[in-house]
Amino acid sequence: DGGITQSPKYLFRKEGQNVTLSCEQNLNHDAMYWYRQDPGQGLRLIYYSQIVNDFQKGDIAEGYSVSREKKESFPLTVTSAQKNPTAFYLCASSSTDRGLKNTEAFFGQGTRLTVV
Amino acid sequence: GQSLEQPSEVTAVEGAIVQINCTYQTSGFYGLSWYQQHDGGAPTFLSYNALDGLEETGRFSSFLSRSDSYGYLLLQELQMKDSASYFCAVRDILTGGGNKLTFGTGTQLKVEL
Repeated sequence: DGGITQSPKYLFRKEGQNVTLSCEQNLNHDAMYWYRQDPGQGLRLIYYSQIVNDFQKGDIAEGYSVSREKKESFPLTVTSAQKNPTAFYLCASSSTDRGLKNTEAFFGQGTRLTVV
Repeated sequence: GQSLEQPSEVTAVEGAIVQINCTYQTSGFYGLSWYQQHDGGAPTFLSYNALDGLEETGRFSSFLSRSDSYGYLLLQELQMKDSASYFCAVRDILTGGGNKLTFGTGTQLKVEL
């Protein structure tokens, strides 16, 4: 079955350490996104990518980095520069086809990162 | 930049109808989507409007007015399982192609007996 997979589901890290969150999709989607969600809050865009080897900063990119070396994969690194990294991180993918019906974004199950 | 506004919380009784509004400011607007998220879960797609008017999908309908930069999600025959957060999201077309998906702050819907 096609889908988008994030791992791990829960992640604990010590303050000051970098950590990389995995996101893989087999939906053949060109666009991939990373969002951060804090308790009771909306989804804030961290980074997004429309095509392999290209990505753009979202609204809250500081302290994060990404790569897009393969169409299927869009890992997110939370660096030690991120001042408040504890949050729920969601990865999504979508088609870039402008056709009206190809607009759905598919989400992974999320990674809950706790920095202690 | 983009901004989307939604009410933070709505409460309704089982069997009722509820409307969740969304106003947006954006450039390169291409369409408005709605997503549902249960506690601890991933958002799931509900509906999409690219043109003015009403789109109906079962108990859920979504409306868009591009001239007013406004849309709403209408939920009918509310069920307890509809208790969740609902997000509107704007799809922007970027210069050079591709698209960017920006979400609102979400509306928490509580359905009571």
